[in-house]
Amino acid sequence: AQSVTQLDSQVPVFEEAPVELRCNYSSSVSVYLFWYVQYPNQGLQLLLKYLSGSTLVKSINGFEAEFNKSQTSFHLRKPSVHISDTAEYFCAVSRTGFQKLVFGTGTRLLVSP
Amino acid sequence: DSGVTQTPKHLITATGQRVTLRCSPRSGDLSVYWYQQSLDQGLQFLIHYYNGEERAKGNILERFSAQQFPDLHSELNLSSLELGDSALYFCASSGGQGWQETQYFGPGTRLLVL
Repeated sequence: AQSVTQLDSQVPVFEEAPVELRCNYSSSVSVYLFWYVQYPNQGLQLLLKYLSGSTLVKSINGFEAEFNKSQTSFHLRKPSVHISDTAEYFCAVSRTGFQKLVFGTGTRLLVSP
Repeated sequence: DSGVTQTPKHLITATGQRVTLRCSPRSGDLSVYWYQQSLDQGLQFLIHYYNGEERAKGNILERFSAQQFPDLHSELNLSSLELGDSALYFCASSGGQGWQETQYFGPGTRLLVL
């Protein structure tokens, strides 16, 4: 079975500063990895996904995540955050695409001016 | 707007009752997924349907059931409700294949069991 650990429940950061949200996974087989964002009182939005190929994946709004097989990590980074990035971020893993996603407990990103 | 619609937005009911949550996927998407988000359990995958057929089950209780109809909308039925069933229930749909496949979530139905 797969599992996901998001070590940081909350990450406060100032606007325009860089941020890294950590995600580690556990699986005995190859997996697909995802990051989702949930803005207050909204559903989740797929931010980016790793299926295979290049280990660095990027989203359209400046976030990127790097798959590191040896460290079983898929950390999310952004070089300069905006106030509008304030949200909860969920890392997820599965063996079969979007089926049977296993989510982490989430990291609340708080961006202040 | 993700294109995935869920009704109702809010639902308040009593223990022991039965409710039905409805989801309409994005136009053209054949897959529908149901998830539960609660403070205790976090986000959990419940069930996946593809073009009317059940494809995968997650942590779905026996008191819960779902189906996907020929017009591709889906319903999640929750029966013999307990206090612990209070949660946000999300529906999502996906389309495309391989690396082009992407998933969209609805706004959720907030269920409160009193």
